[in-house]
Amino acid sequence: EVHLVESGGGLVQPGGSLRLSCEASGFTFSAYEINWVRQAPGKGLEWVAFISESAGTIFYADSVRGRFTISRDNAKNSLFLQMNSLSAEDTAVYYCAREMLGVAVPGKGAFDVWGQGTMVNVSS
Amino acid sequence: SSELTQDPAVSVVLGQTVRITCQGDSLRSYFASWYQQRPGQAPVLVIHERSKRPSGIPDRFSGSGSDITASLTITGAQADDEADYYCCSRDRSGNRVFGGGTKLTVL
Repeated sequence: EVHLVESGGGLVQPGGSLRLSCEASGFTFSAYEINWVRQAPGKGLEWVAFISESAGTIFYADSVRGRFTISRDNAKNSLFLQMNSLSAEDTAVYYCAREMLGVAVPGKGAFDVWGQGTMVNVSS
Repeated sequence: SSELTQDPAVSVVLGQTVRITCQGDSLRSYFASWYQQRPGQAPVLVIHERSKRPSGIPDRFSGSGSDITASLTITGAQADDEADYYCCSRDRSGNRVFGGGTKLTVL
């Protein structure tokens, strides 16, 4: 069965750092583009970052560019999000989400598998 | 602009048809996907590439769109369809973008 499992969330002080992980199972991880998506309490979904299959292409939302770094280790079926200079505005549930295979460029943004999410709380 | 705009809330009488819309300039060039999110759960993809339905999604869910508008239609809404719905697309830079979400109430 296909799974994505996030970990690494928790309570961190403003200005601090946190590294999230997402472990994949049940599919060929290296064949898929993956994203991080977050959701602040009571708010909507916000796309955070994208990484291509071989990490050759990476995109970030303006709100995190320069502070967050997305990476992956295909040998370990794992995705990461290094988050630095955290502020209260980064408090959210963070999901990793797999892009559907075989979707042409105009249809990108189709996330067919999601993890259960990991909560990040930035507070003093 | 890469923003996607959705009505914050929509209601539908049980068994009737409801349309949820998403507007944005990027939809002239790129297709929308739609997600259903129930409270406390991860989102679920219900429509991709404007009108394609993933396996396991009931056929009462359909998608369409033209120009700057994408639509998700639920024909014969069920109580179980009460949820938040989000559209998503990409922009010219390759970034993905979500709409603000629509809370669907089934009366």
